[in-house]
Amino acid sequence: AQSVTQLGSHVSVSEGALVLLRCNYSSSVPPYLFWYVQYPNQGLQLLLKYTSAATLVKGINGFEAEFKKSETSFHLTKPSAHMSDAAEYFCAVRGNSGNTPLVFGKGTRLSVIA
Amino acid sequence: GAVVSQHPSRVICKSGTSVKIECRSLDFQATTMFWYRQFPKKSLMLMATSNEGSKATYEQGVEKDKFLINHASLTLSTLTVTSAHPEDSSFYICSARPQGAYTEAFFGQGTRLTVV
Repeated sequence: AQSVTQLGSHVSVSEGALVLLRCNYSSSVPPYLFWYVQYPNQGLQLLLKYTSAATLVKGINGFEAEFKKSETSFHLTKPSAHMSDAAEYFCAVRGNSGNTPLVFGKGTRLSVIA
Repeated sequence: GAVVSQHPSRVICKSGTSVKIECRSLDFQATTMFWYRQFPKKSLMLMATSNEGSKATYEQGVEKDKFLINHASLTLSTLTVTSAHPEDSSFYICSARPQGAYTEAFFGQGTRLTVV
């Protein structure tokens, strides 16, 4: 079974500041890990994914995440926040075999202050 | 990238009526699609896994007679909310994963259902 814990339901940063959104996972099999972003009343857009290749994954819009097996973490970062980054962010996990669904964390709302 | 189209994006219906939501994979085939429900300021809750040509697999606690899922082709899955009630008001999102080497799922735009 897989599960995801996102620490912090709401994170607020100043424009230009570092963004750090935390995600810890639990998985009984080697995991695939994902970060998705959701804007109000819209579906989810994939930011980046880890699929057992490089542990540091670069995604769209300047985001990146590092898979740390020893810490069971997959935190999302961005060096400099932009106003357009304000949205809801979801970490998700699934097993690395079969056609299994994604299991989502509860989400973290990112606010960017001018 | 792969595109999933969900329709309608917004629907208001009267209590007791049924509503059908469509999920289409526009440029790929998907033997499996997933239906999620999202409550306000909450995460996505998996409702069911829709398999082409066979019965859907529902998650525990999801009423299969209320949320009818049909996956008639490799590009279309539908979710019908039967005898809708105000408590069924929610944001419903479908996702699909292309066959082959894809590891991620692609999501529809979501459907905001309001039952009055």
